[in-house]
Amino acid sequence: AQSVAQPEDQVNVAEGNPLTVKCTYSVSGNPYLFWYVQYPNRGLQFLLKYITGDNLVKGSYGFEAEFNKSQTSFHLKKPSALVSDSALYFCAVRRSGGSYIPTFGRGTSLIVHP
Amino acid sequence: GAGVSQSPRYKVAKRGQDVALRCDPISGHVSLFWYQQALGQGPEFLTYFQNEAQLDKSGLPSDRFFAERPEGSVSTLKIQRTQQEDSAVYLCASSLGRVDEQYFGPGTRLTVT
Repeated sequence: AQSVAQPEDQVNVAEGNPLTVKCTYSVSGNPYLFWYVQYPNRGLQFLLKYITGDNLVKGSYGFEAEFNKSQTSFHLKKPSALVSDSALYFCAVRRSGGSYIPTFGRGTSLIVHP
Repeated sequence: GAGVSQSPRYKVAKRGQDVALRCDPISGHVSLFWYQQALGQGPEFLTYFQNEAQLDKSGLPSDRFFAERPEGSVSTLKIQRTQQEDSAVYLCASSLGRVDEQYFGPGTRLTVT
């Protein structure tokens, strides 16, 4: 079985400050990890993924995420938040070399204050 | 290029009615997924197609749910005899292959009254 935990329902940050949205996962074997963002009344948009290689992954809109195997985490980060980053963020995991079905977390609402 | 489109965007059905939800994936994408997203939750897997073959339908909640992709492009999710618990947003996503990131449509919000 595979699972994803996003421990924070909501993250508040001031514009210009760094942001972190947390994600931990459980999967047998090696993980494929993804972050998606969802704006109101729109579908999920892909931000970045970890498949293999460097633990620090860079993605769209200045976001990055760090894969930490020992802590089974894949936290999303951005050095300087924008008001336009306010949205719902989903972490997803699937097992490499096997199931193609991803499991999504419940989502974290990011609110960036001006 | 066009993204994934879904229609209708909103559907209100009376309990017991049948509904059909359409998904137009990105051209050339082999994989197509359907998800159900309840309010305040992440997407929950329903079914997966590779071209026209439905390889996994383990997430379909009951035999009232049926999906098809007869020519390996457009897909339809059909719900028969809708119930109130079917109310949710239904998301379609496509990807080039099994390991790639998915591209999501805007979803169809189904409300069963």
